[in-house]
Amino acid sequence: KNQVEQSPQSLIILEGKNCTLQCNYTVSPFSNLRWYKQDTGRGPVSLTIMTFSENTKSNGRYTATLDADTKQSSLHITASQLSDSASYICVVSARWEKLIFGAGTRLAVHP
Amino acid sequence: GAGVSQSPSNKVTEKGKDVELRCDPISGHTALYWYRQSLGQGLEFLIYFQGNSAPDKSGLPSDRFSAERTGGSVSTLTIQRTQQEDSAVYLCASSAAGTGAGYEQYFGPGTRLTVT
Repeated sequence: KNQVEQSPQSLIILEGKNCTLQCNYTVSPFSNLRWYKQDTGRGPVSLTIMTFSENTKSNGRYTATLDADTKQSSLHITASQLSDSASYICVVSARWEKLIFGAGTRLAVHP
Repeated sequence: GAGVSQSPSNKVTEKGKDVELRCDPISGHTALYWYRQSLGQGLEFLIYFQGNSAPDKSGLPSDRFSAERTGGSVSTLTIQRTQQEDSAVYLCASSAAGTGAGYEQYFGPGTRLTVT
């Protein structure tokens, strides 16, 4: 069964600190992996997309890594800001059109 | 340019009633997707449109759910005889095409459906 699991379920950090969110998947065949940020009451917004051949991609203070052999990905947030408080969702595509979503990690950044 | 819009933003309905949710994709986007997000759960794929046709309806949970798209633009998701378990946020997304890692899906703000 195609699944995407994320950890931790929730995380609290202080402003300015770094954090790393984890994603493990069992989706096959693998097409691409995406990280989305979802603010409360809003739709998800894409942060990064990685294909099989890519093992790291950055978007500002966000850096995603992918290990297609172990089927693991991580999202590292550097120098966190209050506006980083949101849910971060790992999404894996088995086919181009169909995305399989993780349940997300809820991040709270406190001053 | 405008993003994906959805209406209504919130809908409260009584069990057994029919509801219709609307999605206006980004102009020119040929692919349109419907997802459901239940409290504390990941997004669940419902249906995908390429133009006006739906090559993948595999995510629709029951025959009470249907969707259509007209003119390659606006889509409506209809839920008949609503049940309490239908309560969720229904998200719509659109993309420039249905294939390729570069074709990003842009999400609307969602419709929060509450069935009482």
